[in-house]
Amino acid sequence: EPEVTQTPSHQVTQMGQEVILRCVPISNHLYFYWYRQILGQKVEFLVSFYNNEISEKSEIFDDQFSVERPDGSNFTLKIRSTKLEDSAMYFCASSPPAENTEAFFGQGTRLTVV
Amino acid sequence: AQKITQTQPGMFVQEKEAVTLDCTYDTSDPSYGLFWYKQPSSGEMIFLIYQGSYDQQNATEGRYSLNFQKARKSANLVISASQLGDSAMYFCALGSSNTGKLIFGQGTTLQVKP
Repeated sequence: EPEVTQTPSHQVTQMGQEVILRCVPISNHLYFYWYRQILGQKVEFLVSFYNNEISEKSEIFDDQFSVERPDGSNFTLKIRSTKLEDSAMYFCASSPPAENTEAFFGQGTRLTVV
Repeated sequence: AQKITQTQPGMFVQEKEAVTLDCTYDTSDPSYGLFWYKQPSSGEMIFLIYQGSYDQQNATEGRYSLNFQKARKSANLVISASQLGDSAMYFCALGSSNTGKLIFGQGTTLQVKP
């Protein structure tokens, strides 16, 4: 069964460093998303991406964050100058080209900023 | 504005019994979807069930059913014949028909007792 793949599963970084979280969405999906879950809290929407551009972003997704689809398969989230409060689980998700269908989530990348 | 609320932080259920997890929502979108995801302690997000706002019948998926009451803006998840493996965090989510983003509730932790 096709699945969304995220790498790495766990990333530890020094405060102030840049990190890139990688995702390979399901191949025939057209909508891509990043979500964040701070430990013990709810899952928060960061950004949606369609047709090679951001279709919507939350207020969390400020200039520190950027997304890219550098080739036909990868979808990346870059966090510049990481802060302690960026420590969270980051989920990538993708969904097929149909209205209101389920989003398939990757297994997540746990980011720890020290 | 879209909003989704899960008022039960934690629930207990005896093995083999049924349990209802509450979810209420608010949206101005004429077309939307309601989703339930399960998050076990390992952290991944597992899709359980989906209800479209125009669906006439309540969704069912194996032991999961969704009690959708559109006028009351509620979409409660019913798990029948609970199993020990059902112990997890459960999130209700509201899907936007425009961008496909999901707005998650705060989650309900379900513990199944043997």
